[in-house]
Amino acid sequence: AQTVTQSQPEMSVQEAETVTLSCTYDTSESDYYLFWYKQPPSRQMILVIRQEAYKQQNATENRFSVNFQKAAKSFSLKISDSQLGDAAMYFCAYKRGATNKLIFGTGTLLAVQP
Amino acid sequence: GAGVSQTPSNKVTEKGKYVELRCDPISGHTALYWYRQSLGQGPEFLIYFQGTGAADDSGLPNDRFFAVRPEGSVSTLKIQRTERGDSAVYLCASSPLGGQNTGELFFGEGSRLTVL
Repeated sequence: AQTVTQSQPEMSVQEAETVTLSCTYDTSESDYYLFWYKQPPSRQMILVIRQEAYKQQNATENRFSVNFQKAAKSFSLKISDSQLGDAAMYFCAYKRGATNKLIFGTGTLLAVQP
Repeated sequence: GAGVSQTPSNKVTEKGKYVELRCDPISGHTALYWYRQSLGQGPEFLIYFQGTGAADDSGLPNDRFFAVRPEGSVSTLKIQRTERGDSAVYLCASSPLGGQNTGELFFGEGSRLTVL
C-alpha cells in the first residue's frame, strides 16, 4: 500500500526567510502524482503545487518549489520569501495515476514569525 | 458562490443519532469526493462520484456511512447511528472531468461533526 510520511509536525520560519518542508512516500508504481496542499484555519484545502512522477524537472509556482528525488522517494517543498499568509498546515499527498484517491500525510504546521 | 459549499459548518449530535452533511460542488464539476479528517491527521478518502454514480466507495468505514448524488450535482453524506469515533471534519471536494487525472481538487471548508 502507498504511504505518505511527513516527519515534521511543526516548523517555524521568519518572515522573508526560506523554509523547507519534508515529505517521503512509498510506492511501487511508476505512474503517479505528488502534491502539496495548504490548509489555513478556514479548513479549506488549497493546492499549492503538483509534480508528475514522469517529469524530471522540479515544479515551481512563484515562491513555491519542490525538490523531487524519485529514487529516494522524497518530495520536499521550499517556500521562499515567506509571508505571514503562508502560515497554515501543509499536507503532502500522493495519487496513483489511474485512481482518483489522494493519500495524504499527517501534515506540517508552519508558523511564520514577523 | 463560485466555490464548493458545505453545510452545516458545524454539527453537534448525540451518540446514536442520524446525521446528514451536504455538499454543493463547483458548477460543472462532474467529479465529487468526500474525505474525513480526524484531529491531527490528514484527510482520508471516503468516496468518489463521477456524475450520479459512486465510482469508488472503498473508503467508507462501514455500512453506517452512505452517500448519494442523485442529480449529479449536490451530494449528501449520511451517517446512521453515530458513534463518538465519527467525530471529525468531513471535507467535500470537486473537480472537472480532466481535473481528476491531474489530482487538483477544489475543497470546501468542511463540516465539523462532534458526536457527544
